[in-house]
Amino acid sequence: TAGITQAPTSQILAAGRSMTLRCTQDMRHNAMYWYRQDLGLGLRLIHYSNTAGTTGKGEVPDGYSVSRANTDDFPLTLASAVPSQTSVYFCASSAGASTEAFFGQGTRLTVV
Amino acid sequence: RKEVEQDPGPFNVPEGATVAFNCTYSNSASQSFFWYRQDCRKEPKLLMSVYSSGNEDGRFTAQLNRASQYISLLIRDSKLSDSATYLCVVNLDAGGTSYGKLTFGQGTILTVHP
Repeated sequence: TAGITQAPTSQILAAGRSMTLRCTQDMRHNAMYWYRQDLGLGLRLIHYSNTAGTTGKGEVPDGYSVSRANTDDFPLTLASAVPSQTSVYFCASSAGASTEAFFGQGTRLTVV
Repeated sequence: RKEVEQDPGPFNVPEGATVAFNCTYSNSASQSFFWYRQDCRKEPKLLMSVYSSGNEDGRFTAQLNRASQYISLLIRDSKLSDSATYLCVVNLDAGGTSYGKLTFGQGTILTVHP
């Protein structure tokens, strides 16, 4: 079914390595988001994009970068992974501010 | 102070019970409000939007109090399948300049037991 897809589902990454988490949606939503979810801290916004070609920083952007070259794709890159980036990462999209956000199934990342 | 705060619980209730969750938000300019549900190791999914006049969807009732800056979720006649984490979500939408900032509370864990 249509929706939002993340890849990979899970990954173990050595500290210091780089990695890109992929996110693709086929709903033509303008807004896309990256969150990380950690026990006791809930979902925290890393970066967001209101429309293709624009991005913005969320609550916890350090160590992460994003790009929005087109409407469908919103990859998240860790340039040099650290153990504190071990988390579950969710990508989401929405048509607008007052509408439902749809989430991908998440990527479980472990940095060792 | 966090932008969105919830009582993390956990709430343990028997089937058939009524349970209520509250959530407070700090930004008075916030425009959109939602309750999401998240099952264990799954992605969050929209439960219901919250409107100024309050709204109901079956056993679920959501209310918004702008003056006190809180929203609530009431679940009546709890079912075993209601066991999940309930996430309060607030979106600031000031003329579209920051509509990308869906902000989540840390979630309230609900367990419904037989």
